[in-house]
Amino acid sequence: QSALTQEASVSGTVGQKVTLSCTRSNNNMGNYAVGWYQQISHGAPRTVMLGNSPPSGIPDRFSGSQSGTTASLTISGLQPEDEADYYCSTWDYSLNAVVFGGGTKLTVL
Amino acid sequence: DVQLVESGGGLVQPGGSLRLSCEASGFTFGNSWMSWVRQAPGKGLEWVANIRHDGIEKHYLESVKGRFTISRDAAKNLVFLQMSGLRADDTAVYFCASPLNYQLQFGFWGTGTLVTVSS
Repeated sequence: QSALTQEASVSGTVGQKVTLSCTRSNNNMGNYAVGWYQQISHGAPRTVMLGNSPPSGIPDRFSGSQSGTTASLTISGLQPEDEADYYCSTWDYSLNAVVFGGGTKLTVL
Repeated sequence: DVQLVESGGGLVQPGGSLRLSCEASGFTFGNSWMSWVRQAPGKGLEWVANIRHDGIEKHYLESVKGRFTISRDAAKNLVFLQMSGLRADDTAVYFCASPLNYQLQFGFWGTGTLVTVSS
């Protein structure tokens, strides 16, 4: 069982705002940043958010936040090309390991 | 531009060994933690191992401890994953990943190399 819980699936229409969540099952992530990764058709993952900062080249419709035991990835103005699987991860200092959430399948209707 | 190129995947019998390589370029390899992440067919991403920039500190997924060894060659900008005692559930695409801003997270990814464990 993953230490990070994500919605199995989320859907939205073009132009809509959607928020994906990533909830820690314990407090063993401390202040470590949460990363968000987009994967289309099981290709190479693409990093879309680290903490609340997107890497260079990521559209500004992507934003991230963290509060308490939940991290969120928000896409404001959903586009067809955003349809993908999204994974979150962080460092678990009690396990000395990176943990991933189970992933959210985002469908653009 | 950051580039990570994995190699060394293939078909191996259960109990066999394989060594994966990742050639890195476009960033300061000598200052970066490096990681391996895998994805079994139809499954999600799973972190496997990481190694600190100096090669001294290493961490592993519990299920691969004692079977997999991560190492790096600073002179050649290479990171390796030596896998032994391979099992069917090790079958996956293995991705090499490097950090961005946060050393223990992943900013850049390779395209992956497929490891198939089957008789």
